[in-house]
Amino acid sequence: KAGVTQTPRYLIKTRGQQVTLSCSPISGHRSVSWYQQTPGQGLQFLFEYFSETQRNKGNFPGRFSGRQFSNSRSEMNVSTLELGDSALYLCASSLDWGLSYEQYFGPGTRLTVT
Amino acid sequence: KNEVEQSPQNLTAQEGEFITINCSYSVGISALHWLQQHPGGGIVSLFMLSSGKKKHGRLIATINIQEKHSSLHITASHPRDSAVYICAVAMDSNYQLIWGAGTKLIIKP
Repeated sequence: KAGVTQTPRYLIKTRGQQVTLSCSPISGHRSVSWYQQTPGQGLQFLFEYFSETQRNKGNFPGRFSGRQFSNSRSEMNVSTLELGDSALYLCASSLDWGLSYEQYFGPGTRLTVT
Repeated sequence: KNEVEQSPQNLTAQEGEFITINCSYSVGISALHWLQQHPGGGIVSLFMLSSGKKKHGRLIATINIQEKHSSLHITASHPRDSAVYICAVAMDSNYQLIWGAGTKLIIKP
């Protein structure tokens, strides 16, 4: 079974731009969660999608949004990029929602905002 | 006070030593995850626990729900075990995943 894939792996953007990151879960997994990892804040939960619906949301501003498609693939969008958005963005898939199922992580997308 | 506390923050040991990493939490949880992150960013799920004990190879994870405490043990440690080990709890109130700061483990040959 193929693992979780994320595209692109690396991205450089300038302040004010917007960015879209993509995550393809493991086949059969219906839940996709997104996380931001920065050296100062560690790993932080962004949101979780299940069956095309956002089930949970972390404490991030409205500039961070996401969606999930009928094939369970998910996209995350960040608008009006700020320097502080530079981070490793990780997605994880699991069989069901609620984060009480084993999480399988993708390799991450490293976003640099200049 | 952080909702999830890990100790120690850093741990250096010799190959073959028995390693223990601790995780304490202060919220009600539905599950606790132990994950491993190697340099470069890749995260691998090691265990997901809601009670008792799990073993996988040289790794053992235990959880005490009453004491709100979990431990990750590594027996016969090896340099390839060098990584950051992260504890994360799934809160039963809002289903969010709260992460510990991680324990950086270095095993010297």
